[in-house]
Amino acid sequence: QVQLVQSGAEVKKPGASVKVSCKASGYTFTGYYMHWVRQAPGQGLEWMGWINPNSGGTNYAQKFQGRVTMTRDTSISTAYMELSRLRSDDTAVYYCARVLYSSSWSALGYWGQGTLVTVSS
Amino acid sequence: IQLTQSPSSLSASVGDRVTITCRASQGISSYLAWYQQKPGKAPKLLIYAASTLQSGVPSRFSGSGSGTDFTLTISSLQPEDFATYYCQQLNSYPRTFGQGTKVEIK
Repeated sequence: QVQLVQSGAEVKKPGASVKVSCKASGYTFTGYYMHWVRQAPGQGLEWMGWINPNSGGTNYAQKFQGRVTMTRDTSISTAYMELSRLRSDDTAVYYCARVLYSSSWSALGYWGQGTLVTVSS
Repeated sequence: IQLTQSPSSLSASVGDRVTITCRASQGISSYLAWYQQKPGKAPKLLIYAASTLQSGVPSRFSGSGSGTDFTLTISSLQPEDFATYYCQQLNSYPRTFGQGTKVEIK
């Protein structure tokens, strides 16, 4: 069965960077795009971008351009999302989510458990 | 593309029929998904391609619409359905979500 297991909670100071991992199992890692979505406390869902685990190609939301980097390590079936120059309003739960099927228009069918990133001085 | 859900919240009783709407600021064909999220949990896919029920999702959930107007219907609300529901458009970037609809117990 498809499983996405994310790294643990992080506390960071403003201006620092955070790198969240998402280990995939139960399917061919390189066959499906991985998206990242975040949710600030008490707020809605915000799409950040995706990575193509096969090619390493990425597509970031303009809001995060220049601050976000999505990478992958195919040898360990793990995707990463790094966010730099953190601000207090980056405090959120960050989710990785795999597309349901291999298409550019696919919904997000499988989700990680989420990683809480707290930005505080 | 902006997605506007209505209502933002609603109170309903077990057994009620519930309808949530999602309106897109421009046409998105049928590239719309619905998710359910319970407190402290990751979202769960319910419907994709506007009206296709995800495997394992109860048949009381249904989706309809195309273009700019979409609906999620729960035909007979069950205790486990009290949650927040989000729509997401998959037609263009960024892949925006609606602001959510919280379904509460009356």
